[in-house]
Amino acid sequence: NAGVTQTPKFRILKIGQSMTLQCAQDMNHNYMYWYRQDPGMGLKLIYYSVGAGITDKGEVPNGYNVSRSTTEDFPLRLELAAPSQTSVYFCASSKGLYTGELFFGEGSRLTVL
Amino acid sequence: DAKTTQPNSMESNEEEPVHLPCNHSTISGTDYIHWYRQLPSQGPEYVIHGLTSNVNNRMASLAIAEDRKSSTLILHRATLRDAAVYYCILTGNQGGKLIFGQGTELSVKP
Repeated sequence: NAGVTQTPKFRILKIGQSMTLQCAQDMNHNYMYWYRQDPGMGLKLIYYSVGAGITDKGEVPNGYNVSRSTTEDFPLRLELAAPSQTSVYFCASSKGLYTGELFFGEGSRLTVL
Repeated sequence: DAKTTQPNSMESNEEEPVHLPCNHSTISGTDYIHWYRQLPSQGPEYVIHGLTSNVNNRMASLAIAEDRKSSTLILHRATLRDAAVYYCILTGNQGGKLIFGQGTELSVKP
């Protein structure tokens, strides 16, 4: 099993550019999440999804968009990149809502210059 | 949303037990208590979770206070590989949200 796969692993963007971070899981999990982690800090929830076609905001959604057209994929879109979006982004998925174990991807390190 | 409070850092010696505390005084009856850990330069990994009763697995034990307002993650014999940030998280009342706090940075001395 591949688990949760994130691409790209590293990316450098210029201010104002846009890009999409890809996340795919092969475990048939309903729940998927995007987190960001700034250096030396904990994880902040950006967006989450409880199933295909359903998404909702987390703690820090500004500057991001998501979609969930399939159970497997949960891409995160950055519009008009800003230096404040320099961070490591983690995608995660889980089978259950309250009892399910979260499976994380390896992370995508994004630098905005 | 229910909050958790953890010490910023703790130290342990190798092969000794470690007790990592977490306070969650506003926990509701439907909140599960989850623990995750994050090794340096890696994504978080699941450690253990529970609701009311103490739980054991191959990685750790989770001791939950009778009033559920606090819990303790127990690593029975710390190894150097256990050096990580440990997060205590409540799930249940937040709908789909799983909110991480600052966590406890555990260092293990040889």
